[in-house]
Amino acid sequence: QQQVKQSPQSLIVQKGGISIINCAYENTAFDYFPWYQQFPGKGPALLIAIRPDVSEKKEGRFTISFNKSAKQFSLHIMDSQPGDSATYFCAASSNTGNQFYFGTGTSLTVIP
Amino acid sequence: GAGVSQSPSNKVTEKGKDVELRCDPISGHTALYWYRQSLGQGLEFLIYFQGNSAPDKSGLPSDRFSAERTGGSVSTLTIQRTQQEDSAVYLCASSTTPATNYGYTFGSGTRLTVV
Repeated sequence: QQQVKQSPQSLIVQKGGISIINCAYENTAFDYFPWYQQFPGKGPALLIAIRPDVSEKKEGRFTISFNKSAKQFSLHIMDSQPGDSATYFCAASSNTGNQFYFGTGTSLTVIP
Repeated sequence: GAGVSQSPSNKVTEKGKDVELRCDPISGHTALYWYRQSLGQGLEFLIYFQGNSAPDKSGLPSDRFSAERTGGSVSTLTIQRTQQEDSAVYLCASSTTPATNYGYTFGSGTRLTVV
């Protein structure tokens, strides 16, 4: 059973636009929610992460919005650039577990 | 080293053969993880090593899969009698502490193709 559900599977955005990727979870024990960015032939790299005590975290053009009551969180990429074209994975973990649970990934293409 | 190193980067093997995949974590990282990434799928947890503790093997899909970590550093994932469904990218990650609160660093993976 997929612990973290991610959508959309793929996304095409014009340069300068906003890319939005959504994730949902069920396990209320999750307390850490990272996003990873993966380029072809490379391993995923930590992009940004949030804990449930805040509703939003921003780092440069990347923002995580977190809705604890709805058990949803999303990644917003502002002013999307062709260099942002990659696969993005959301994930979740709890401090009592040994692993991250990953979404199935979103392939983002930013068109120049 | 500066990052997590995995070898080989690509491996093609015949069905039924055994394969060994190697992971060299970042120096000083006590936690090491193996994940499997299949085409169009998310990352599937396989096994977790933390220091000298017994590993968490709960994600290994069958008894054909095993892993060890020698001296708290290098890890080897072994797949015996490979099957076509084992074809995937095998990713290793390491961290300084149990990473479920801080994220971890992945290697570039080993792409395994079973023909």
